[in-house]
Amino acid sequence: DAGVIQSPRHEVTEMGQEVTLRCKPISGHDYLFWYRQTMMRGLELLIYFNNNVPIDDSGMPEDRFSAKMPNASFSTLKIQPSEPRDSAVYFCASSQGRFYEQYFGPGTRLTVT
Amino acid sequence: GENVEQHPSTLSVQEGDSAVIKCTYSDSASNYFPWYKQELGKRPQLIIDIRSNVGEKKDQRIAVTLNKTAKHFSLHITETQPEDSAVYFCASTSSNTGKLIFGQGTTLQVKP
Repeated sequence: DAGVIQSPRHEVTEMGQEVTLRCKPISGHDYLFWYRQTMMRGLELLIYFNNNVPIDDSGMPEDRFSAKMPNASFSTLKIQPSEPRDSAVYFCASSQGRFYEQYFGPGTRLTVT
Repeated sequence: GENVEQHPSTLSVQEGDSAVIKCTYSDSASNYFPWYKQELGKRPQLIIDIRSNVGEKKDQRIAVTLNKTAKHFSLHITETQPEDSAVYFCASTSSNTGKLIFGQGTTLQVKP
């Protein structure tokens, strides 16, 4: 397996633009997680899915953020409109079960100017 | 709410020495405690984990201990090597929420 795949790897956009981050989990994994990492706030869980259903989105900062998982092999995290404070590395991770190793993707480095 | 405190934030040791990183958690329902290593510019990767029914687990130079009564767990790295230099994160998962809460990370520097 290729591991968790994320795209794009780098995204630079202007404030106010829509940003869409993409993730393909490891085949057979039933949990998918979206994290945000910054120096100030560390690694934060934004939302996680089980069998494509959102279970907990309490970490989503505000209504500008939304996430979907239309099928077992694809998820998106959308920010609309983007703001400079959204600049961070966004990781997607997947696991086979809730209390098992989470495999992280390479991350998307987002810069909002 | 759920919280994981990690100490120290930075740790510098000489090659061959041991390194210890400590974490405390607040949610008494936590039952899974993984440790992740993140090298500069890379993704976090699991190095060891422990479950609440076990007090200690060892894998070569790495060991983790868990004290459920005190709600703290620790990572021990023996015979450190320069390639151990990285940021280490502890985390805990509550059986109630299923969320993995990370500590703030410890930057470990191993000097050759």
